[in-house]
Amino acid sequence: DSGVTQTPKHLITATGQRVTLRCSPRSGDLSVYWYQQSLDQGLQFLIQYYNGEERAKGNILERFSAQQFPDLHSELNLSSLELGDSALYFCASSLIPAGGPGEQFFGPGTRLTVL
Amino acid sequence: DAKTTQPPSMDCAEGRAANLPCNHSTISGNEYVYWYRQIHSQGPQYIIHGLKNNETNEMASLIITEDRKSSTLILPHATLRDTAVYYCIVRVTRAGANNLFFGTGTRLTVIP
Repeated sequence: DSGVTQTPKHLITATGQRVTLRCSPRSGDLSVYWYQQSLDQGLQFLIQYYNGEERAKGNILERFSAQQFPDLHSELNLSSLELGDSALYFCASSLIPAGGPGEQFFGPGTRLTVL
Repeated sequence: DAKTTQPPSMDCAEGRAANLPCNHSTISGNEYVYWYRQIHSQGPQYIIHGLKNNETNEMASLIITEDRKSSTLILPHATLRDTAVYYCIVRVTRAGANNLFFGTGTRLTVIP
């Protein structure tokens, strides 16, 4: 158990819909990262937040957005869903954003299925 | 970030050492080598990281060549639970961001 929690575990929805994935980082971790893992693209970095502020952006679509709240939990919002958005979405957290190496601790993931 | 090359798959007998190679010939001086693994569809798990020196922890050892162009992750006594995809990642820690870029990894199968 990494200490990172994600809800829901599974999500099934229809094309065109909007969903919100939630992540609670490990106690004390200030950075939250979102990754997407699909069969054809592998594990891809989407976005990082540190203490409420966006710090880095990867291959995140404009239909997707994220935020980190004052209590440090984060939400990933996916809208106008397409079949290709079906994937595992992982959240990770780490104590420090940079300045030295640091491991990231990954949650169990949310499996999104778009029908 | 430097690109890494790993064999797509490897087998290892249970109880033997598993040696997973990684080539990172374009690595620069401030880039760390990280290893993560992913068991089935679980979240990736951190294993170890290093810069120049060899490193060892309770999970594995990391051997980095003197020129830093390649490294080897060693699982000293592989068990069936070590069957997973192992990712070698080279990453420079930029101010404010240290997100990871995963490649295709090596699928290690530990055989009874």
